[in-house]
Amino acid sequence: NAGVMQNPRHLVRRRGQEARLRCSPMKGHSHVYWYRQLPEEGLKFMVYLQKENIIDESGMPKERFSAEFPKEGPSILRIQQVVRGDSAAYFCASSPRQVSSYEQYFGPGTRLTVT
Amino acid sequence: EDQVTQSPEALRLQEGESSSLNCSYTVSGLRGLFWYRQDPGKGPEFLFTLYSAGEEKEKERLKATLTKKESFLHITAPKPEDSATYLCAVQAGSSASKIIFGSGTRLSIRP
Repeated sequence: NAGVMQNPRHLVRRRGQEARLRCSPMKGHSHVYWYRQLPEEGLKFMVYLQKENIIDESGMPKERFSAEFPKEGPSILRIQQVVRGDSAAYFCASSPRQVSSYEQYFGPGTRLTVT
Repeated sequence: EDQVTQSPEALRLQEGESSSLNCSYTVSGLRGLFWYRQDPGKGPEFLFTLYSAGEEKEKERLKATLTKKESFLHITAPKPEDSATYLCAVQAGSSASKIIFGSGTRLSIRP
């Protein structure tokens, strides 16, 4: 049973470009969560999605950031017009139910560097 | 304000030297407390979930305990392969946005 998969593992973008980060949840998991981790800081919640629905995006910046989890295919975190402050590790996690009942399983992360 | 604080920030132990990591929390309505292990360049790996004060869980050399204000991760006779960052997280409500992570304890075990 494959774990949570994320790609790319490393992404370099120039300021102003777009970054697309992909996450495929574990088989049988329909809940996806995105987190951001800055160096020497804890994970910060960004957004929680189920298939075709954004359930909670209260942790996501209002501008330039968007997320989707289509009926088919991976979840996508999209960052438009990246700035240096977007450089971080972005982690995706999945669970079979709402996280209040089940633990989350994390992917290996995508490390975004903005030059 | 909901808050999770882990201490110490870093801990260096000799192989076989037992110790404990602390996770103090201030949240309204704890629904669960989670421990994760994170190796450099990798995602967090789930270890334990604790739901109520007095609960304990064990896995190999690790034991997690929970009180109303804090959780401890006890490491007994650690080995070098136990070296990692250990993360604590709490869920303070029914929403995923109420999961708050601490900044972790970097554990290093010398052979």
